[in-house]
Amino acid sequence: EVQLVETGGGLIQPGGSVRLSCAASGFSVSSNYMSWVRQGPGRGLEWVSIIYSDGTTYYADSVKGRFTISRDKSKNTLYLQMNSLRLEDAAVYYCARTVVGGTHFDYWGQGTLVTVSS
Amino acid sequence: QSALTQPPSASGSPGQSVTISCTGTSSDVGAYNYVSWYQQHPGKAPKLIIYEVTKRPSGVPDRFSGSKSGNTASLTVSGLQAGDEADYYCSSYAGSSNLSVFGTGTKVTVL
Repeated sequence: EVQLVETGGGLIQPGGSVRLSCAASGFSVSSNYMSWVRQGPGRGLEWVSIIYSDGTTYYADSVKGRFTISRDKSKNTLYLQMNSLRLEDAAVYYCARTVVGGTHFDYWGQGTLVTVSS
Repeated sequence: QSALTQPPSASGSPGQSVTISCTGTSSDVGAYNYVSWYQQHPGKAPKLIIYEVTKRPSGVPDRFSGSKSGNTASLTVSGLQAGDEADYYCSSYAGSSNLSVFGTGTKVTVL
């Protein structure tokens, strides 16, 4: 059974950093495309970043240069390093297994909440 | 990349049908047959219900159907049930660097 469990969220000050983790089971993170998608309070979904099975990464313009997606094959875990956090980065962050090509997201975690406030 | 446009709300009585539109551009919805739809109940993660415009993942009832014409995709929920009350989001592939763009979301109410 495919499962994704995100951790690492919390209260972060503006300008601060945090690393989110997404532990996967039932499939290999490294052999699949994986994405982060976020949802601001009372708002819609926003694609954040993707990592291909070959390690290629892409980012939404809103986070480019501040966020870094990565993975650890031995831990079967996906990460999102978030630096220089802004108020508008506050959201529930979901990791999602992504179909090859990035065309859709077939499994989602339950999400982890990042609050940015002083 | 701008969000795809969806109506904020839609409603129907049990047993009726409701159709939700999702309007994009010639760079996303109109360019690719890679529109997907997600159902999200309050406090829960999104769930894939339609992919590649018309396909349903295993376990999704055939009451859910998708279509596309030009830059607009649509999701139809037939035989509305109380459990269908949720937020629905469309998404489209938008090219190799922008990847995915989501819709603004539609809240479906079962009257």
